Amino acid sequence: QAVLTQPPSVSGAPGQRVTISCTGSSSNIGAGYDVHWYQQLPGTAPKLLIYGNSNRPSGVPDRFSGSKSDTSASLAITGLQAEDEADYYCQSYDSSVSESYVFGTGTKVTVL
Amino acid sequence: QVQLQESGPGLVKPSETLSLTCTFSGDSSSNYYWSWIRQPPGKGLEWMAYISNSGNTNYNPSLKSRVTISGDMSKNRFSLRLTSVTAADTAVYYCARDDSSTYFAYWGQGTLATVSS
Repeated sequence: QAVLTQPPSVSGAPGQRVTISCTGSSSNIGAGYDVHWYQQLPGTAPKLLIYGNSNRPSGVPDRFSGSKSDTSASLAITGLQAEDEADYYCQSYDSSVSESYVFGTGTKVTVL
Repeated sequence: QVQLQESGPGLVKPSETLSLTCTFSGDSSSNYYWSWIRQPPGKGLEWMAYISNSGNTNYNPSLKSRVTISGDMSKNRFSLRLTSVTAADTAVYYCARDDSSTYFAYWGQGTLATVSS
């Protein structure tokens, strides 16, 4: 049961900029926990894309950027490319019942 | 190079117990948290449980009554048991590592477990 809400889908033409929102609450993102983002290509395991709200692991293009504010976070992809077509998930930590990891509902990015 | 590899039966009958093992390479002496995460076909990710290198465990409250995580870090492996499975437990099961930073930097490739008679 995902407690972070994302739009089911976003789309854009090659070269455009798209953003994905991740909405949480006062027990997770609003409590100060960091937000992380994963990219999941079809048939593969998720791959860490952004950690600590806005940091990119080595090898991730700078076309990907993240931000966080209050109880929500966003992932932006600028200069959209065909290989960016994938599912994207946000993830944080939640302290409402027992401290645990929580994921977003996931967003399918389609390159038109 | 950190690698994780899941293994499991592939097919489990309803009401039985699903047992999975994750074997990993790399350092096992630091303060890591080893998790199981699952993904039903066509659906999103769900964190299930973790075990730390020191043996501390934590469970997703929605699964706590049916899940047990255990580990033998000296042999670089940890396991998951999920009891009383139903078709809703059909999923790809991933193991993953958190380096005490609250995110999963390393993932296994996943193993599909199908619940069917």
